[in-house]
Amino acid sequence: KQEVTQIPAALSVPEGENLVLNCSFTDSAIYNLQWFRQDPGKGLTSLLLIQSSQREQTSGRLNASLDKSSGRSTLYIAASQPGDSATYLCAVADDYKLSFGAGTTVTVRA
Amino acid sequence: EAGVVQSPRYKIIEKKQPVAFWCNPISGHNTLYWYRQNLGQGPELLIRYENEEAVDDSQLPKDRFSAERLKGVDSTLKIQPAELGDSAVYLCASSPGETSGVTNEQFFGPGTRLTVL
Repeated sequence: KQEVTQIPAALSVPEGENLVLNCSFTDSAIYNLQWFRQDPGKGLTSLLLIQSSQREQTSGRLNASLDKSSGRSTLYIAASQPGDSATYLCAVADDYKLSFGAGTTVTVRA
Repeated sequence: EAGVVQSPRYKIIEKKQPVAFWCNPISGHNTLYWYRQNLGQGPELLIRYENEEAVDDSQLPKDRFSAERLKGVDSTLKIQPAELGDSAVYLCASSPGETSGVTNEQFFGPGTRLTVL
């Protein structure tokens, strides 16, 4: 069974600092990996999807890397803003099933 | 493009009562998923549909949970009777599907927050 771990569980940074969020998974035979954002009381918003053949994906201030051999992915958010405050979830796809981590709750202080 | 639509957004019921959730996926998406998210945890898959066929319902507690997607478009998830431990957020997601040839990116609705008293 795929196990996905996100550390730390919570993170607080001052505005402008770069954010580094970590995700690890136990089975490297993955189809793809998705990073999501979840605001309180809301659903999940897809941020980035990395195919198993890719090593990274970028969108604006967001960059996600994937190292399948070591079972790790990292989400970088450059120049954080208070609006980036949310919970960030990593999900690994085994075929069509997503296995989620518990998330990292980020607070960006103005 | 409209996203995944779910209703109701919130539901409060007494234990042993029935409850139903509705989901309308993104137009053209053949694959539909129902997830349950407990507080402080990531979502867990309950059931996946390809068109109107339930292709993975291994995690659905079939003694009290049921789901249907009769015309391969919108879907309903039902709990009968509800228990205290069913309190959670129920999320619906959709993706283009196995035959689309595009990446299996999943798009989520806003969820239904269920409270069982």
